[in-house]
Amino acid sequence: AQTVTQSQPEMSVQEAETVTLSCTYDTSENNYYLFWYKQPPSRQMILVIRQEAYKQQNATENRFSVNFQKAAKSFSLKISDSQLGDTAMYFCAYNQGGKLIFGQGTELSVKP
Amino acid sequence: GAVVSQHPSRVICKSGTSVKIECRSLDFQATTMFWYRQFPKQSLMLMATSNEGSKATYEQGVEKDKFLINHASLTLSTLTVTSAHPEDSSFYICSARQANNYGYTFGSGTRLTVV
Repeated sequence: AQTVTQSQPEMSVQEAETVTLSCTYDTSENNYYLFWYKQPPSRQMILVIRQEAYKQQNATENRFSVNFQKAAKSFSLKISDSQLGDTAMYFCAYNQGGKLIFGQGTELSVKP
Repeated sequence: GAVVSQHPSRVICKSGTSVKIECRSLDFQATTMFWYRQFPKQSLMLMATSNEGSKATYEQGVEKDKFLINHASLTLSTLTVTSAHPEDSSFYICSARQANNYGYTFGSGTRLTVV
């Protein structure tokens, strides 16, 4: 079964600092997509960043970047210059066969 | 950008009644929609996948007779919770996938409370 593991239930970071959220996944496929979603208190799911497995270059979206290690099946999210608005649940997700399977989530708190 | 509208945002119903939740893609055609359930402080659990014009595919452990899914058009999928019980109280979220695109757009969710 495909699984996604986020080993950090909670994390906190000071405003303006950098934080890394970890994610590992398990798959036997070669082509797939990986995602990080943010869920703020409103509970609206917001796409943060997406990585295509066949691309070796790590995806970057402004302050958000990933460290994609395909052989290790690792997909961590780095948030630079953390802002108070980054406070949210962060979910790593894996796509294969059209379905999105989510990790357990990491609750990130950005402290002033 | 792609927008998915989900209604209602909150609903309270009596035990034994049925509740329908709508998920509508506003500016794109969604060949596939997904329904998730989320308990507080937990992850999204996939309940079922609905494809336009065909029967939904349910995940293991999800009662298809209790959670009826209809995807009658390329822009609308509905989830009906039949004979609701307090244990069905939860947050339900839909997601739509655009054709030929690995983008997933989520609705804003429905908080169901069964009393």
